[in-house]
Amino acid sequence: EPEVTQTPSHQVTQMGQEVILRCVPISNHLYFYWYRQILGQKVEFLVSFYNNEISEKSEIFDDQFSVERPDGSNFTLKIRSTKLEDSAMYFCASSRGQGEYQPQHFGDGTRLSIL
Amino acid sequence: AQSVTQLGSHVSVSEGALVLLRCNYSSSVPPYLFWYVQYPNQGLQLLLKYTSAATLVKGINGFEAEFKKSETSFHLTKPSAHMSDAAEYFCAVLNNAGNMLTFGGGTRLMVKP
Repeated sequence: EPEVTQTPSHQVTQMGQEVILRCVPISNHLYFYWYRQILGQKVEFLVSFYNNEISEKSEIFDDQFSVERPDGSNFTLKIRSTKLEDSAMYFCASSRGQGEYQPQHFGDGTRLSIL
Repeated sequence: AQSVTQLGSHVSVSEGALVLLRCNYSSSVPPYLFWYVQYPNQGLQLLLKYTSAATLVKGINGFEAEFKKSETSFHLTKPSAHMSDAAEYFCAVLNNAGNMLTFGGGTRLMVKP
């Protein structure tokens, strides 16, 4: 069964550094998402992306964050000037379409640790 | 804004016992609801979804959930727990635009032998 794959599984970065989290969505999916889960807290929506544009974003997704689909297969989340509070598990998801009949499929996540 | 609340951050059952994980929603319009499961060191896997076609929804691994509008609930059940069901379970609601999931706090299910 096709899967969403995320790399790396664990990223350790010094505070203030930039980090790029990578995702390969399922190949025939057109909608892409990032979520995060701070340890012990809820899974939180960050952003959705379609047709090379952000279609929805949360308050968390400020100027520090950006997303990109640099080629036909990857979907990346960039965090500039990381802060301690950015430490979390980041999940990428993709779906073929939008709505209740096109569920989002999640990757295994990247654990980001900011030192 | 739509939201979901999961009562009980931890639930412990014996193997073979009934599993009941609670989820209540808040929505001004008919919601689209999902249950996801997260096994250790893995991502979120879709268990089942409610799309208004039927109030009783069957999912994978023997789980099912019933949508009750009068109670604003979408509780997840399984008649007989198995050790492999030990995981964290998340209830989620989809926004009207269909592009954002809002998750509950999660319930960690423990299964005792």
